[in-house]
Amino acid sequence: DAKTTQPNSMESNEEEPVHLPCNHSTISGTDYIHWYRQLPSQGPEYVIHGLTSNVNNRMASLAIAEDRKSSTLILHRATLRDAAVYYCILYGDYGGSQGNLIFGKGTKLSVKP
Amino acid sequence: DAGVIQSPRHEVTEMGQEVTLRCKPISGHDYLFWYRQTMMRGLELLIYFNNNVPIDDSGMPEDRFSAKMPNASFSTLKIQPSEPRDSAVYFCASSLAFGGYEQYFGPGTRLTVT
Repeated sequence: DAKTTQPNSMESNEEEPVHLPCNHSTISGTDYIHWYRQLPSQGPEYVIHGLTSNVNNRMASLAIAEDRKSSTLILHRATLRDAAVYYCILYGDYGGSQGNLIFGKGTKLSVKP
Repeated sequence: DAGVIQSPRHEVTEMGQEVTLRCKPISGHDYLFWYRQTMMRGLELLIYFNNNVPIDDSGMPEDRFSAKMPNASFSTLKIQPSEPRDSAVYFCASSLAFGGYEQYFGPGTRLTVT
């Protein structure tokens, strides 16, 4: 029962921007959109999160659609170290159910030199 | 802070044996999560705690799995008896609160049941 839908894989060239899409048509008003990434043989690592407005941090930007049914993680200049599996998840601010928090299989990003 | 600490990092055991995985969350974090990752199913949430109390264990696969959090700095995930299909990487994560706060993951425990 996937709450988000992501492409299985994407490719990018080094130093070019990357846009990773995520669809979450059943999002509720209290759900935050979180992005994590997982490098090979490591635990997932937090990237960014947002609720309604676009967000920027040192790692990436998060663009959220006006209806909140989709979002895009933007890596402004991909490096070889950005090659990882990227997960988009919904994370409700109600603390009572794990009905969201479904990581699934994410998008495997490959970066070519 | 040293981050989320998990032990052991690798565990190899025979079918039928009891396995105990351990986790120390980041100090001050009120939420602790246990996940399992396999190639087939990806990363799945098993159970999470708030202030040492289990809140939702609907992801625990069956009665062979149990989790406890006796205090704010320690949690265990136990499998008894273990089966080959339990082979996976088990991650522990912690966060300050729910929803608007990031989760910090540990390095994981790779479990192999032969």
